[in-house]
Amino acid sequence: SQQGEEDPQALSIQEGENATMNCSYKTSINNLQWYRQNSGRGLVHLILIRSNEREKHSGRLRVTLDTSKKSSSLLITASRAADTASYFCGRDDMRFGAGTRLTVKP
Amino acid sequence: EAGVVQSPRYKIIEKKQPVAFWCNPISGHNTLYWYLQNLGQGPELLIRYENEEAVDDSQLPKDRFSAERLKGVDSTLKIQPAELGDSAVYLCASSDRAGGRESPLHFGNGTRLTVT
Repeated sequence: SQQGEEDPQALSIQEGENATMNCSYKTSINNLQWYRQNSGRGLVHLILIRSNEREKHSGRLRVTLDTSKKSSSLLITASRAADTASYFCGRDDMRFGAGTRLTVKP
Repeated sequence: EAGVVQSPRYKIIEKKQPVAFWCNPISGHNTLYWYLQNLGQGPELLIRYENEEAVDDSQLPKDRFSAERLKGVDSTLKIQPAELGDSAVYLCASSDRAGGRESPLHFGNGTRLTVT
């Protein structure tokens, strides 16, 4: 069963806009990781946030974590067509949610 | 470094036939994972190995699925007999557990199985 749930399931935006996707989980975590998956490929690690962190940045990525709400969000700023992919959050037991499918239109 | 290698890339079989997938993890990675991914869904963990020991196989349908990781390096996932519902992408991943639970997973590009 899925241990994390992302929403929205699908998101379509224009190039240059920001994209925000959310992840909720059910049990306590030590950390949470975000991954992206291009069509026909494996997942690629993007960023990790620890349970004692509230926010983390990496380039155009910003991840927040609210352990009281058991939720995390991934913000991609100034999106590009190349950001088109599926994005997943994974708990530290390496189980994933259903993902958000992001489409960035040129 | 070379990435996680999976083969074959695609496999088409008739139902009730056996099928096997192979995975070679990144050198030195002692943790290996097999996932099943249905279209439009996230990866579902089937089994996790620490070296040659299967430490989490609670989601592996043991009546038809089996896996092995002899010598703690490469691994094989087998289905016998295959059913129509097994059509999916089978992903392998590895990580260096020296970093503990913070070690990122490195994925192969998967084997796409079609059962007809």
